[in-house]
Amino acid sequence: DAKTTQPTSMDCAEGRAANLPCNHSTISGNEYVYWYRQIHSQGPQYIIHGLKNNETNEMASLIITEDRKSSTLILPHATLRDTAVYYCIVKARGSQGNLIFGKGTKLSVKP
Amino acid sequence: ETGVTQTPRHLVMGMTNKKSLKCEQHLGHNAMYWYKQSAKKPLELMFVYSLEERVENNSVPSRFSPECPNSSHLFLHLHTLQPEDSALYLCASSQDHTGGDEQYFGPGTRLTVT
Repeated sequence: DAKTTQPTSMDCAEGRAANLPCNHSTISGNEYVYWYRQIHSQGPQYIIHGLKNNETNEMASLIITEDRKSSTLILPHATLRDTAVYYCIVKARGSQGNLIFGKGTKLSVKP
Repeated sequence: ETGVTQTPRHLVMGMTNKKSLKCEQHLGHNAMYWYKQSAKKPLELMFVYSLEERVENNSVPSRFSPECPNSSHLFLHLHTLQPEDSALYLCASSQDHTGGDEQYFGPGTRLTVT
């Protein structure tokens, strides 16, 4: 079973920031938070990951709460092409465990 | 373009046919994966290969047979499939299967079993 809880769906207006929450209250100290997304009928795409510090790359920002029990993926200026299912996954790096995809959040960016 | 290609993109096969799915990665990665995504279900990991050795087989029926001839190529041989095997089959690769966890996925093969 996935160790994360995400809303089933969210809407966002084009050009606005999309903030996708994820709860991972049972996260262990050595587990990272990963985000992937899957655009319809395509393979999943890696977005970002973090341990406890906030992270930013060219695609998104990841904000992790101080207690690490939740996080938020931020797409600063959502476009129609960001419409996808977003998956939040917790996993320890360097372990032999594998990515476990839950149901994710279906983000719909609307004009 | 993720550096992982899959062929064919679409496949329709009868239950008595034998077919193969092909995956190729151009990223210099050492680990490759097969996933299955059925309608309205989460991705399911099927097989993991590291340096051409199978390191994980998640209770997949024997009608699915993987092959990894080298670290850049991965095949999934299919025979006597069932209609419930219709799904999107995704290939992925990563630097290795223990540390480099950013997996890069191919576009998938949409399989329909009739």
